[in-house]
Amino acid sequence: KNQVEQSPQSLIILEGKNCTLQCNYTVSPFSNLRWYKQDTGRGPVSLTIMTFSENTKSNGRYTATLDADTKQSSLHITASQLSDSASYICVVSLGSNSNSGYALNFGKGTSLLVTP
Amino acid sequence: DAGVIQSPRHEVTEMGQEVTLRCKPISGHNSLFWYRQTMMRGLELLIYFNNNVPIDDSGMPEDRFSAKMPNASFSTLKIQPSEPRDSAVYFCASSLGLGSYNSPLHFGNGTRLTVT
Repeated sequence: KNQVEQSPQSLIILEGKNCTLQCNYTVSPFSNLRWYKQDTGRGPVSLTIMTFSENTKSNGRYTATLDADTKQSSLHITASQLSDSASYICVVSLGSNSNSGYALNFGKGTSLLVTP
Repeated sequence: DAGVIQSPRHEVTEMGQEVTLRCKPISGHNSLFWYRQTMMRGLELLIYFNNNVPIDDSGMPEDRFSAKMPNASFSTLKIQPSEPRDSAVYFCASSLGLGSYNSPLHFGNGTRLTVT
């Protein structure tokens, strides 16, 4: 069972508009949450990272929020540009006291298309 | 820094043939990961190495898949014999540590494998 769920699966917006992508997780114990951007034909690239003590983190026009109590995160994109068209992947890391040998849990991503 | 380098970028082969994917991690990174990405399942971890030693290969689909890391600057993922259901994009990633707060995964641009 995937412990990281993203919504929507895909999204189309007009250039210049804002949008918000959602990530819900059940991973426990939680260590940190990272958003990656994956352009078509390329590997994912890290955008932001937050621990449970960080509620918000910005990277230019990208702002990520985290509510560790409800286990939800969002990625808000302001004044979208054509170059924002990509897949956005939410990745949740297990805490160091986890029995799992490997820490990262990947969502399936939200595919964003920004149109002129 | 050239980043993580994967080769080939595209591979088309016939069912039953052997396929070898190659990866050069970022110099100084001590962890290396092989992922497979499909539309249906997203990114799936196949195997990861720490200090050249395979730590967890539980994600390797079956015995047809094998991976090696003979030194800190090179790794291979081999599929023998290949099957059409192996068609996917295969990513190699490297990091310092296992994806903790200060060490994001750095992905290569992937190898798109098509098995006919």
